Amino acid sequence: NAGVTQTPKFRILKIGQSMTLQCTQDMNHNYMYWYRQDPGMGLKLIYYSVGAGITDKGEVPNGYNVSRSTTEDFPLRLELAAPSQTSVYFCASSYRGLAGGDRGDTQYFGPGTRLTVL
Amino acid sequence: QQQVKQSPQSLIVQKGGISIINCAYENTAFDYFPWYQQFPGKGPALLIAIRPDVSEKKEGRFTISFNKSAKQFSLHIMDSQPGDSATYFCAARPYNFNKFYFGSGTKLNVKP
Repeated sequence: NAGVTQTPKFRILKIGQSMTLQCTQDMNHNYMYWYRQDPGMGLKLIYYSVGAGITDKGEVPNGYNVSRSTTEDFPLRLELAAPSQTSVYFCASSYRGLAGGDRGDTQYFGPGTRLTVL
Repeated sequence: QQQVKQSPQSLIVQKGGISIINCAYENTAFDYFPWYQQFPGKGPALLIAIRPDVSEKKEGRFTISFNKSAKQFSLHIMDSQPGDSATYFCAARPYNFNKFYFGSGTKLNVKP
């Protein structure tokens, strides 16, 4: 299993440009998440999804959009990029089933996308 | 309102010493408490986790202590090594939903 993969690894955008951060997981997880991490700070939840076709806002959704058309993919769309969106973006996934269990509940993170908006 | 409060923000420990990081929460619906380790330039990775039906869980040099009545849990790293230098996040998840609430992180520096 590749786990959670993210592309691109790095990107520089100009103010007002748009882009899509890609996230794919091959673990058949139902939950997927997008977080941002500013330098020296913790993780802030942007959006999450509990399954294909179902998404919901996290703490900091403004300026972002998501879609979940398949179990595997959860792209994050930035419209009209702003310097405040300069950050490292992490995608994560987890599985929550009826059986539960520690490993079944664990979040697995991707390697991150480092985005700079100038 | 921050659901999980973590301290200290940074920690310097000598090699061989004990590193202790503390977290506190208020939501009694939380039933799963993982700790994540993050190295520079990498994503967080699960280190160890505990459920509230036990007061302690140990995996190698890493131990979680859990105090349900005080709504506190802590990570203890015994015989700390320079390779343990990383940022550590505590988190909590409610029993009925896989939404994780993270602490603000502790940057640990273990000096040789």
